[in-house]
Amino acid sequence: AQSVTQPDIHITVSEGASLELRCNYSYGATPYLFWYVQSPGQGLQLLLKYFSGDTLVQGIKGFEAEFKRSQSSFNLRKPSVHWSDAAEYFCPRRQGGKLIFGQGTELSVKP
Amino acid sequence: NAGVTQTPKFQVLKTGQSMTLQCAQDMNHEYMSWYRQDPGMGLRLIHYSVGAGITDQGEVPNGYNVSRSTTEDFPLRLLSAAPSQTSVYFCASSLGPGRYGYTFGSGTRLTVV
Repeated sequence: AQSVTQPDIHITVSEGASLELRCNYSYGATPYLFWYVQSPGQGLQLLLKYFSGDTLVQGIKGFEAEFKRSQSSFNLRKPSVHWSDAAEYFCPRRQGGKLIFGQGTELSVKP
Repeated sequence: NAGVTQTPKFQVLKTGQSMTLQCAQDMNHEYMSWYRQDPGMGLRLIHYSVGAGITDQGEVPNGYNVSRSTTEDFPLRLLSAAPSQTSVYFCASSLGPGRYGYTFGSGTRLTVV
């Protein structure tokens, strides 16, 4: 079955530092990939998505992600993290009617 | 546009009780899904629907029932609540397959005692 893996359960970065969250997907045809953010006690908000074309996609809140087929990766990046970015991040893939999730990465931001 | 609306936001049930979690969307989305979220396990798909009258099982369907009589509504029924069903439940909807993302509701926190 197609799957998604987020290798880092928890990451801590300093405010103002750069951020990269890792996401790997199992092999398949060009996947439909997404990044969502979940603030504590909230629902999930879509940050960005990839389905074809340019491998670098821009999203909301200053985030971007790069699709690398050779590495089966779709990592999320931000050049300078703000305290408000502390949240849980998910990179599900679309499979027909389903959205398949990994376990997520919790981001903490220290002052 | 309210988006995806879930009710109730919080619920406490006794073991063996039944209840329905409500989900409604006003975006004319064909696809709707139910997920449960447990610590360290991400979101797991319970049931999903690709249109009115069409539903299918996800990863963890046991103990849950769904129906889709209208495009707007997708209720989730717990037949006989068990402590293992204590979780946060999210409903989500999507315009279509493939490139379309899902819009999520704000969740229902359910505790079964």
